[in-house]
Amino acid sequence: GIQVEQSPPDLILQEGANSTLRCNFSDSVNNLQWFHQNPWGQLINLFYIPSGTKQNGRLSATTVATERYSLLYISSSQTTDSGVYFCAVEKGTSGTYKYIFGTGTRLKVLA
Amino acid sequence: EAGVTQSPTHLIKTRGQQATLRCSPISGHTSVYWYQQALGLGLQFLLWYDEGEERNRGNFPPRFSGRQFPNYSSELNVNALELEDSALYLCASSWRKSDTQYFGPGTRLTVL
Repeated sequence: GIQVEQSPPDLILQEGANSTLRCNFSDSVNNLQWFHQNPWGQLINLFYIPSGTKQNGRLSATTVATERYSLLYISSSQTTDSGVYFCAVEKGTSGTYKYIFGTGTRLKVLA
Repeated sequence: EAGVTQSPTHLIKTRGQQATLRCSPISGHTSVYWYQQALGLGLQFLLWYDEGEERNRGNFPPRFSGRQFPNYSSELNVNALELEDSALYLCASSWRKSDTQYFGPGTRLTVL
């Protein structure tokens, strides 16, 4: 089955630093989402990005579907950015549908 | 606009009992998805409902079941609870398949 791997698994940053998180997937996909899971377990949508580049404030994401990877950029990090970042990919249709989460990147931003 | 809601927030059951978890999607969304996040196992896809029908399920035994009601809300039932069913159960909804999924706050199930 499709594999979704994220790197790095853990990341510690000083407030104000920039970072790049990577998501690699082993097969073609219908779409890809990035999420931030806060300390209370809530998953918050960041981007729906099957291809191309999107930006939202200090965050931006790029997916290169032909090369099967996506990148999430966090600029000028803040302590509230701490948590786990997941990418998730969707593949298939009714009856074969799969929605697979990556292994996650645990980010800690220090004040 | 209200987000996805789930109830209860926490649920404590003993082994062998049944658990029922509920999810209300965002108004206008017809697809509901259930996921399990167990310690050490990451987030795993459980079930997908669309327009009242079960469209697909993940690699879980039949004692995990559910349904979607005419108002698109959904219920997840877990029968014959086992200790390893202890997890955070997340529900998500989308306007249609292959659209952005929005997640609820989750139900934390503890099986003793």
